[in-house]
Amino acid sequence: NAGVTQTPKFRVLKTGQSMTLLCAQDMNHEYMYWYRQDPGMGLRLIHYSVGEGTTAKGEVPDGYNVSRLKKQNFLLGLESAAPSQTSVYFCASLQGTEAFFGQGTRLTVV
Amino acid sequence: DQQVKQNSPSLSVQEGRISILNCDYTNSMFDYFLWYKKYPAEGPTFLISISSIKDKNEDGRFTVFLNKSAKHLSLHIVPSQPGDSAVYFCAASNQGAQKLVFGQGTRLTINP
Repeated sequence: NAGVTQTPKFRVLKTGQSMTLLCAQDMNHEYMYWYRQDPGMGLRLIHYSVGEGTTAKGEVPDGYNVSRLKKQNFLLGLESAAPSQTSVYFCASLQGTEAFFGQGTRLTVV
Repeated sequence: DQQVKQNSPSLSVQEGRISILNCDYTNSMFDYFLWYKKYPAEGPTFLISISSIKDKNEDGRFTVFLNKSAKHLSLHIVPSQPGDSAVYFCAASNQGAQKLVFGQGTRLTINP
């Protein structure tokens, strides 16, 4: 039972490049989330999904898109990366009111 | 609009003493509160939670207190151990909205 798995763990992008971060959970949870963690800012919600085929905006959605085509996967896309998107990204899935997190993806945009 | 605030970025406590981490919230619709612990290069892990119908919840060395009138909660760790050194995040949710909102985090250092 892997829980929540994020790929990749590290990535360096050039400004303007695109990429997709993958989150997979094997706990059959309905709700999934993407957060970014920045120094002094805590964990800020980017987008979330309350079920397969649904997505919604969080606190800081600009510059990101998401898709939830399958219940177990939640994808976060950056269409044109900017240095301001340098951050550590965490995916989480929710059971009741307890969220389970992945290990994080450290993204650097140069 | 920071709905969940942890005003102390860092806290240093001697081993064996009590650690008290504080959290304030502004949204009166929040009805469930959680504390997460995070080590470097790892994802946050659940520590303890409390429903708004309670004012205290205990789990071993960890106790969370909720003061709804003040919109304030605190996490007490006693006795503090070196392995407790980590970043602690306070989180709140409105179960109807199913969003989990986090504070900025407090870095706790336990000194031997």
